Amino acid sequence: DTAVSQTPKYLVTQMGNDKSIKCEQNLGHDTMYWYKQDSKKFLKIMFSYNNKELIINETVPNRFSPKSPDKAHLNLHINSLELGDSAVYFCASSQTRVRGIEAFFGQGTRLTVV
Amino acid sequence: GQQVMQIPQYQHVQEGEDFTTYCNSSTTLSNIQWYKQRPGGHPVFLIQLVKSGEVKKQKRLTFQFGEAKKNSSLHITATQTTDVGTYFCAGLASGTYKYIFGTGTRLKVLA
Repeated sequence: DTAVSQTPKYLVTQMGNDKSIKCEQNLGHDTMYWYKQDSKKFLKIMFSYNNKELIINETVPNRFSPKSPDKAHLNLHINSLELGDSAVYFCASSQTRVRGIEAFFGQGTRLTVV
Repeated sequence: GQQVMQIPQYQHVQEGEDFTTYCNSSTTLSNIQWYKQRPGGHPVFLIQLVKSGEVKKQKRLTFQFGEAKKNSSLHITATQTTDVGTYFCAGLASGTYKYIFGTGTRLKVLA
């Protein structure tokens, strides 16, 4: 069983559309994250939730809204998609938000906005 | 804000040669982690360093944390084609819960 799974793996959509990416972890972890990796491979944290509570909210356009229905799930909804949103989005989880805990990443969702 | 830079950005080596990537933070770090991302894959945790001057080894990989806890390095001895990928450091600034990923070093190993 995959520890951190994201769906879909690929997403091609037109500008202006709204889309969601889902993430689930079966590791029993308390903390989940969304990262964005651009075409230059830079990895930037977007959001983090700890036990369904938002603890990290980077400077991200408010078109991006995370939702955590329970601590095993963290979804990302994006409104009014723009060309610049094209990237690979990674979900990750860690046991707690305590320092020094490794993160487990999902396989990534490659979003292409046309 | 905190920045974590890595050099070089790219490195091509012949199989069997050594490789080093350097990670430099603009602020003092509580600890630093290293991840490897294979082409088309996702980042995978390699190791974590916590103490000033700490050195850890994993087979052909040697990780070092600087005395001032603002820099780190990853050295691979006698590279193999399986070492291909992008290596990221991720630094945790003191007093925060947020790891900032470095800019990454893409390694290509030529057989």
